[in-house]
Amino acid sequence: DGGITQSPKYLFRKEGQNVTLSCEQNLNHDAMYWYRQDPGQGLRLIYYSQIVNDFQKGDIAEGYSVSREKKESFPLTVTSAQKNPTAFYLCASSTASAPNYEQYFGPGTRLTVT
Amino acid sequence: AQTVTQSQPEMSVQEAETVTLSCTYDTSESNYYLFWYKQPPSRQMILVIRQEAYKQQNATENRFSVNFQKAAKSFSLKISDSQLGDTAMYFCAFMKGRTGNQFYFGTGTSLTVIP
Repeated sequence: DGGITQSPKYLFRKEGQNVTLSCEQNLNHDAMYWYRQDPGQGLRLIYYSQIVNDFQKGDIAEGYSVSREKKESFPLTVTSAQKNPTAFYLCASSTASAPNYEQYFGPGTRLTVT
Repeated sequence: AQTVTQSQPEMSVQEAETVTLSCTYDTSESNYYLFWYKQPPSRQMILVIRQEAYKQQNATENRFSVNFQKAAKSFSLKISDSQLGDTAMYFCAFMKGRTGNQFYFGTGTSLTVIP
């Protein structure tokens, strides 16, 4: 089955530690995205990548980093510089084929930092 | 910058009734796409319906339909014959142009279907 996997589903870290969230897709999509979801704030874009070895900052990139070494993978690192890292993180990918644009989402990772 | 506004944080509807969720957006683009996504308690985001701005005909998908008013920049979602499984967060989203890149999401409407 084609889809997006995110692991783990729940992640706990101590304050001051970097943590990497995994995102893998087998949909052969060029574009991939990372969103942060907080109650009452919808989905906010952290980073996106339209092609391997290239990525752009979204609206809330501070304290996060990404890499895109393979088409299938787009890991997100939450660094110790992120002031409020506890949140639900969603990874997505999309096709650039008109007119059936759609973002496909993974199941998400709930990160708790204490 | 594009903005998407959902002014109804929470709504409820009786099972089998009809409910309409509101969405407005602000853009200077002439070519764009609009979407409604559903996020049930499992938190898996699912596409409900898609509308292309250059198409005047409103999109429909079974019990889900939209009322797209381009001049008013309004994109509401109508759910007919509401079912318990429709209980979820609903997000309106905007994508500009044909590049298939950045989506802009609203803050969501939490819909509860009451048995």
